Amino acid sequence: EIVLTQSPGTLSLSPGDRATLSCRTSQSVSASYLAWYQQKPGQAPRLLMYGSFNRASGIPDRFSGRGSGTDFTLTISRLEPEDFAVYYCHQYGSSPGTFGQGTTVEIK
Amino acid sequence: EVQLVEAGGGLVNPGGSLRLSCAASILSFTSYSINWVRQAPGKGLEWVASISGSGTYRYYADSLKGRFIISRDNARKSVYLQVNSLRAEDTAVYYCATAPVAGVSYLDYWGQGTLVTVSS
Repeated sequence: EIVLTQSPGTLSLSPGDRATLSCRTSQSVSASYLAWYQQKPGQAPRLLMYGSFNRASGIPDRFSGRGSGTDFTLTISRLEPEDFAVYYCHQYGSSPGTFGQGTTVEIK
Repeated sequence: EVQLVEAGGGLVNPGGSLRLSCAASILSFTSYSINWVRQAPGKGLEWVASISGSGTYRYYADSLKGRFIISRDNARKSVYLQVNSLRAEDTAVYYCATAPVAGVSYLDYWGQGTLVTVSS
């Protein structure tokens, strides 16, 4: 199965800062089948991005994704207070679908 | 709007069984594949199983095959996960989530989860 490694483990930033989250996969992900989810404490994950760069319904445009092959990035252009959460990447190009271990974006 | 509500979790002894349910408020329920994903306390996400809209195709994580069974009742707009021979390491919040295709897919709508605790 494909292993996803997210970095950094924790990102300490202030509201208004730019956040850059990395997801590297152990094998190339076909057709950029890479998604990102946001999870807040006590809540279910929420889909942010799919197909590497497509925003899910209702996701603000300060969230953007890019990448292909084995290197993918989620960028939050200007952090809002509600963006502090854990973010997971997820590859669904190869069975079984697998998730990264998560990056926590915390308030500095 | 898509709403998913899980139920059926609880405290169970090792070796025991539970039947988790996922009730959906979806206009075209059969258009959606439904997945189960679990999250152990303080840990990341693990895909468990998927079932196609018709119920014809079912997919499982290799490590869980044989102990977990996914099914659906389209008339009731519900999906079930029968979990058998439970072990301590199965302790987790179990989420159901929709997907546009069965098998391997991104997961677009999620329920709030149901907690399964395996302990004596």
